[in-house]
Amino acid sequence: KNEVEQSPQNLTAQEGEFITINCSYSVGISALHWLQQHPGGGIVSLFMLSSGKKKHGRLIATINIQEKHSSLHITASHPRDSAVYICAVRSPIIQGAQKLVFGQGTRLTINP
Amino acid sequence: DAGITQSPRHKVTETGTPVTLRCHQTENHRYMYWYRQDPGHGLRLIHYSYGVKDTDKGEVSDGYSVSRSKTEDFLLTLESATSSQTSVYFCAARVNTEAFFGQGTRLTVV
Repeated sequence: KNEVEQSPQNLTAQEGEFITINCSYSVGISALHWLQQHPGGGIVSLFMLSSGKKKHGRLIATINIQEKHSSLHITASHPRDSAVYICAVRSPIIQGAQKLVFGQGTRLTINP
Repeated sequence: DAGITQSPRHKVTETGTPVTLRCHQTENHRYMYWYRQDPGHGLRLIHYSYGVKDTDKGEVSDGYSVSRSKTEDFLLTLESATSSQTSVYFCAARVNTEAFFGQGTRLTVV
């Protein structure tokens, strides 16, 4: 069983729809990251959360530490939001360097 | 991208040959990481470094070695490439609590 589980694995929606991607984890964490990867591209950090909620433009990320769950929401989705979204959690310190544990990613496709 | 550059971006190599991937950073980051990304798996940690000449293994380190002789360069070496090492490799750096990634290197072992 993966320590970080994302759902859904694939999501296709129409432009303008409200999108939710979920991330559940089983390990103790100090922080959670949401990352974005465009086809053939690098990985970009969207958010780093340790509690509560963060918003950047049309993107909103929430985390519930007690329930070990985070969600990434996209409002008014657009085709340029099509990408793989990756959840990663930061586990307790190992030898002074914190380790990220990654989910398998959610492939989002927004059709015009 | 916090000044992280990977080279080469693409490489095709033959089974049994050694291969070195380079990660170069310009921001004096202390912590650096090498990951591989494969279909059906999340990013998996190969090796990481917490300073010059300070490195340690990650979860999929077999067949790989690393070196960090200066802060700005973190090298990943496949000692004798195998087809199972065909993958996309990402270098990353940790800046406080943020993570920054390079653009990736697509390696094909034939």
